[in-house]
Amino acid sequence: DTEVTQTPKHLVMGMTNKKSLKCEQHMGHRAMYWYKQKAKKPPELMFVYSYEKLSINESVPSRFSPECPNSSLLNLHLHALQPEDSALYLCASSDTGIDTQYFGPGTRLTVL
Amino acid sequence: QKEVEQNSGPLSVPEGAIASLNCTYSDRGSQSFFWYRQYSGKSPELIMFIYSNGDKEDGRFTAQLNKASQYVSLLIRDSQPSDSATYLCAVNAESGNTPLVFGKGTRLSVIA
Repeated sequence: DTEVTQTPKHLVMGMTNKKSLKCEQHMGHRAMYWYKQKAKKPPELMFVYSYEKLSINESVPSRFSPECPNSSLLNLHLHALQPEDSALYLCASSDTGIDTQYFGPGTRLTVL
Repeated sequence: QKEVEQNSGPLSVPEGAIASLNCTYSDRGSQSFFWYRQYSGKSPELIMFIYSNGDKEDGRFTAQLNKASQYVSLLIRDSQPSDSATYLCAVNAESGNTPLVFGKGTRLSVIA
């Protein structure tokens, strides 16, 4: 079973809101990722949790903050987002930090 | 900077034909190569991965890798309209914070 689940499927939020995206995998994978994808562009890596260590793409603004409560869960906390942050947010997991990545269905985020 | 290049397309083929998708990469130390299929508005779905030079076949799909030429391709035999999607080539960067480097994707259109 190579299932990664994400909630919610769709999210509309205002620029002053605080919301969270959730990701879960039950494959025993030791690395989890957040990607942002704009239309007609490839996924852009935001964060990696691998072996309980967080790696950050330095271009990601601080209004995005990841949280890894345990090895199966990865959250993305959103605060004071901008309309240009509207995108498809993808979670992925892999057995190691260099192994095959399996993607969840994504959360379509719209910032008004 | 590690790069993965793909022709953006669209690549149009008639139903039943062979579709050939190509990808080149810049990092000679890359070890793992992946093809993902992405339908519009959906998340990437793993189609194939390949680690060794040569061909790897899975049903109608064949991945080909030539490390000397830094070239990886995906052949789709007996193309169907349901194969119409964007195909993303991804390369394992071997180490660091960005374990997968994605190409920009090739849009395939199979004409019935």
